[in-house]
Amino acid sequence: ETGVTQSPTHLIKTRGQQVTLRCSSQSGHNTVSWYQQALGQGPQFIFQYYREEENGRGNFPPRFSGLQFPNYSSELNVNALELDDSALYLCASSPLAGLKSQYFGPGTRLLVL
Amino acid sequence: GIQVEQSPPDLILQEGANSTLRCNFSDSVNNLQWFHQNPWGQLINLFYIPSGTKQNGRLSATTVATERYSLLYISSSQTTDSGVYFCAVGGGSQGNLIFGKGTKLSVKP
Repeated sequence: ETGVTQSPTHLIKTRGQQVTLRCSSQSGHNTVSWYQQALGQGPQFIFQYYREEENGRGNFPPRFSGLQFPNYSSELNVNALELDDSALYLCASSPLAGLKSQYFGPGTRLLVL
Repeated sequence: GIQVEQSPPDLILQEGANSTLRCNFSDSVNNLQWFHQNPWGQLINLFYIPSGTKQNGRLSATTVATERYSLLYISSSQTTDSGVYFCAVGGGSQGNLIFGKGTKLSVKP
């Protein structure tokens, strides 16, 4: 069974740029959620995708957007990067939207200069 | 929204000691998970435990949903247990997890 994978592992961008982060869900899982973890904090929910549709969204501005593909992999796009976007971005997959255990990938560390 | 409080925020143990981490939440939930975040940032699933008691080796967890708390027990701690332990709950149809601020555990040899 393949676990959740994310790419890239690290990324450095400058303010105003755009970034795309990628996630492949665990085998057999059709739901993907994205979280942002600032230094010293717990992860915060960005949004969830189920069957290629957004299934819920946290308190993040529209410049955070996402996609889910037919193979259940997902992308997180962030436009007009700000310094405060520097964080660890975590992707989690689960076999069913809402109620089941979520399994996390290793994360992508984004630094915005 | 649901509030999640974890205690203590920091814990230093000598190798071999036992510990109890607590998670309080402010409303009824249909999902509760405990995670261990290693120094590289990986969140490792420890327990999916919206209610009841589970054990896995030296770790066990109990959730009393009616009283809105969960406990994580670590027995005979090892240096590899060091890291941050998060409790996360889910209560709505969105399926999102709400995380506490974590307990940072340091186990000294």
